[in-house]
Amino acid sequence: GAVVSQHPSRVICKSGTSVKIECRSLDFQATTMFWYRQFPKQSLMLMATSNEGSKATYEQGVEKDKFLINHASLTLSTLTVTSAHPEDSSFYICSARTSQTQYFGPGTRLLVL
Amino acid sequence: RKEVEQDPGPFNVPEGATVAFNCTYSNSASQSFFWYRQDCRKEPKLLMSVYSSGNEDGRFTAQLNRASQYISLLIRDSKLSDSATYLCVVNGADSWGKFQFGAGTQVVVTP
Repeated sequence: GAVVSQHPSRVICKSGTSVKIECRSLDFQATTMFWYRQFPKQSLMLMATSNEGSKATYEQGVEKDKFLINHASLTLSTLTVTSAHPEDSSFYICSARTSQTQYFGPGTRLLVL
Repeated sequence: RKEVEQDPGPFNVPEGATVAFNCTYSNSASQSFFWYRQDCRKEPKLLMSVYSSGNEDGRFTAQLNRASQYISLLIRDSKLSDSATYLCVVNGADSWGKFQFGAGTQVVVTP
């Protein structure tokens, strides 16, 4: 299947700082990428749809000013968690869309102290 | 009501046995269906797509019942490595690629 990478794999930061997570499609171009968040023992929750060259579409309840998404190229989307708080601690996973399905990155574990 | 519902399990299965579980979805206009597998603290990985006529991939068989709005996954000759959480994924009818995830069914294969 297609390969999607994510960086960093885990990050620990202090409350109030910003964290940037990168998502790359390594062997294909993805005009659409998705950002999910998963809390322990819960399902993946879609946060936003990232479209190359245009503004991201956020799901209801997700603050666009807190979770900044930039999809500047066909292979890279970034999610920046601004002014992170402990309740933002979670597993953040990106995926890239192909014509058949979605392929997921390995995820980023964020711990905000 | 959730758009995609799954029995969370766990389904405890002896090695070599068969296990099957379902997933129901609420949107009758849903177009595409998938089973993903998620190991503990890892990302989901595509296991198989689910086709209208049902399909098989080795020891895994998926079925779709549009009339009753459910899909199923059957695992034959279970291996220890099959222990994982199986996510039912339904593609939205109104926006391709916007997946709706079930919360997952945990399968534990025991020696």
